[in-house]
This record gives sequence, C-alpha cells and structure tokens, in this order.
Amino acid sequence: DAKTTQPNSMESNEEEPVHLPCNHSTISGTDYIHWYRQLPSQGPEYVIHGLTSNVNNRMASLAIAEDRKSSTLILHRATLRDAAVYYCILRAHEGGNKLVFGAGTILRVKS
Amino acid sequence: SAVISQKPSRDICQRGTSLTIQCQVDSQVTMMFWYRQQPGQSLTLIATANQGSEATYESGFVIDKFPISRPNLTFSTLTVSNMSPEDSSIYLCSAARGPQAGTQYFGPGTRLTVL
Repeated sequence: DAKTTQPNSMESNEEEPVHLPCNHSTISGTDYIHWYRQLPSQGPEYVIHGLTSNVNNRMASLAIAEDRKSSTLILHRATLRDAAVYYCILRAHEGGNKLVFGAGTILRVKS
Repeated sequence: SAVISQKPSRDICQRGTSLTIQCQVDSQVTMMFWYRQQPGQSLTLIATANQGSEATYESGFVIDKFPISRPNLTFSTLTVSNMSPEDSSIYLCSAARGPQAGTQYFGPGTRLTVL
C-alpha cells in the first residue's frame, strides 16, 4: 500500500482557514486520495476524496498537486468542532475499498 | 449515507473469555469491514466481512482469534476469542456501498477492556 506522510499536529485559530498537507510521493496512477477525520470518542467520518482534479464539498476542499505527489485538505473556516485527527489515505483502485490508516494529523483549534 | 450501530458500546471482560460484537447497517451495503484501534493509535484493518463466505483477513489476524460472520447485507459480527489484556482496544466496523464506492461509513466503535 502506498504510504502517506502528514505532520503529527497542527494548530489553528477559530474562524481562520486551515491547510492540512499530505505527501504521497509513491502514489500510483490509479490511487485515489481520501481524507477522513476522527472526532474524539467517535468513529472516523469521510471528508473528501479525489483522483487528479481539485474537489470541493460542503465540508472542505481538496487541492491535488499536478504531479499528484502531494495534496492539501483545506478547511475554509475552522470551528471548535473541527478539532480532530485528520487522516490522508491512498486507496488503490483495485484494492476493493480497503483503507490503510496512517498516524494522521491532530488538529487543535483555538478559540 | 449509511448509519451504523454497534453493540455493545463498551465492555469489560475477563481474560480467557470471548466477546461478540454486533454491527448493524440501516441499509444494504456490499462491503463491511472490521478495524481495531489500540489505545492512542491509528486504525488497523482486521478483515473484510464477506456475505455468505469466509472473511478475508489481513496479515497478522487469523480466523481462530477473530471469527467473523456476515449472514446478510446489513449485519455482521466480530468475535474476539480467548481474550488477553493485549486485546483491549476499540473495535470499529465500517461499510461501503461497493468496491469502488468513494465513501466508507464507520460505526461508533466498541471499547473493550480485558482484565
């Protein structure tokens, strides 16, 4: 499974944008880039995913580098409820929807 | 979306006993998975629960220790057998509509403590 590298932790101020980076230099052409987050004492929840083009949804935006070796999850206005562990995961097209979780980034949001 | 519930939400068990965890999805799904999350760690995939056939286990996990059933498209169970304190973890099930579905839905987890 292709590996991702994320910072251990990041801190943000409430109401400000947050950019969460992810490096995946060994990504293959058919790997999808997924982001999940895990709030305290809950199961992970889906945030966003993409293949090559940037993606937007109601929760966040995903910016994918042109060479696909890195991506950035963008929370446009962080709230206290966004404090969570954010996981960047590569899902192989032929992997049968298996997700391999790394350590993730702990996001702390200050009021 | 899919809503997933798990029973029990938590349990404290004695060494050497077994616990069966239930996972119920509110709609039919093609794929169901079981994960383990040890204290302070990330999630590790245990197995894919296959409907009507034996589960597919990841490296390091075996059927004798973690037997899994999936009798239909909305329900699965995971048994943690012959438990030891090292099995103390949160066990989570998840579901996806298909092998290429973009979204996987997770249950709230079962917190297991083994004394």
